[in-house]
Amino acid sequence: AQKVTQAQTEISVVEKEDVTLDCVYETRDTTYYLFWYKQPPSGELVFLIRRNSFDEQNEISGRYSWNFQKSTSSFNFTITASQVVDSAVYFCALSEVEIQGAQKLVFGQGTRLTINP
Amino acid sequence: SAVISQKPSRDICQRGTSLTIQCQVDSQVTMMFWYRQQPGQSLTLIATANQGSEATYESGFVIDKFPISRPNLTFSTLTVSNMSPEDSSIYLCSVAYRGNEKLFFGSGTQLSVL
Repeated sequence: AQKVTQAQTEISVVEKEDVTLDCVYETRDTTYYLFWYKQPPSGELVFLIRRNSFDEQNEISGRYSWNFQKSTSSFNFTITASQVVDSAVYFCALSEVEIQGAQKLVFGQGTRLTINP
Repeated sequence: SAVISQKPSRDICQRGTSLTIQCQVDSQVTMMFWYRQQPGQSLTLIATANQGSEATYESGFVIDKFPISRPNLTFSTLTVSNMSPEDSSIYLCSVAYRGNEKLFFGSGTQLSVL
């Protein structure tokens, strides 16, 4: 069975600090996808990134970066120079290979990130 | 990107009643899903809404409790039947397009059962 673990329930940092959110996953599939979503206080889920299991290149998008390490089954997310607007709950998720063009996701428990001014 | 409208955005219901949540997408989508997010918890997939046929339910969820309809490629409903306080959650509709890497989510329906 697929499983996603986000061991950090809550993180609180001061603005401008760097912060890393951990994500560890379990799957028997050799091909799979990993995702990060952001859920701000408004409640909607905002897509951040998808990574497939064959692509272990790290990705950087502005202040956001992701470190995918298949050897440790981890897909960690780092925010550099954090800002108050980054405060949200962040979910890591895993899905099996796309079937009929769809994605069924298994979510981690989420990490509540608070950035203090 | 998809524009997903979910109604109602929130509701307070009495125990034993039922609530139907609507999900409308601005374009035809390949698949539609319903998720539940219990207070302070993660998201759990309830079912896949299949167009023109019965929904596919995940373990722990049954059609009698969560009947789902999907009459066309842009619309689906989820009914929470015979509600109890344990059903208090956020219910989210999500959609996917063939060949698109993203799964889009609606803004959710916050349900409180008294």
